[in-house]
Amino acid sequence: AQSVTQLGSHVSVSEGALVLLRCNYSSSVPPYLFWYVQYPNQGLQLLLKYTTGATLVKGINGFEAEFKKSETSFHLTKPSAHMSDAAEYFCAVSDGNTPLVFGKGTRLSVIA
Amino acid sequence: ETGVTQTPRHLVMGMTNKKSLKCEQHLGHNAMYWYKQSAKKPLELMFVYNFKEQTENNSVPSRFSPECPNSSHLFLHLHTLQPEDSALYLCASSQDKAYEQYFGPGTRLTVT
Repeated sequence: AQSVTQLGSHVSVSEGALVLLRCNYSSSVPPYLFWYVQYPNQGLQLLLKYTTGATLVKGINGFEAEFKKSETSFHLTKPSAHMSDAAEYFCAVSDGNTPLVFGKGTRLSVIA
Repeated sequence: ETGVTQTPRHLVMGMTNKKSLKCEQHLGHNAMYWYKQSAKKPLELMFVYNFKEQTENNSVPSRFSPECPNSSHLFLHLHTLQPEDSALYLCASSQDKAYEQYFGPGTRLTVT
């Protein structure tokens, strides 16, 4: 069975600083990996996904993530944080046969 | 309408009431999901439907009753709820049960 661990339930960065949200996964088969963002009182929105091919994946709003098989990681980054990036971020994994398994989420705060 | 819609957006109900949540997807997807999101708790997958057939029921109490009349519509019938059932209920859909999911905005349920 797959599982996801998001390190840090809350991350705080200054506006303009690098954003790094960590995600490690466990899967017995090559995984499909996803990052979602949730703004207050809204549903989850897909930021980016990795299925096969290029391991560096670019998403919306300037975010990207890199699949590192040797480290079983799929960390989310953004070079320069904006106030509008403040939200909850969820990493998810699928084995290609069963529904996505979501992590517990990381709340990102951006300080002016 | 585009994407995934949910109605109502907010619902307050007493413990003896019966109400229903509605979800509709306009994406031509084959799988639909109900999630419960409580404050300070991980996202909880409740039910999964694939081609109108229920494929997962994650030990959800019988006071929650799902219905999927076709691939575009999903309902969650509620009766004799408890205060701890107060949460954000999210609906999602995907092309197939292992693919990326697209979420609705959620229904904020308060049980009094």
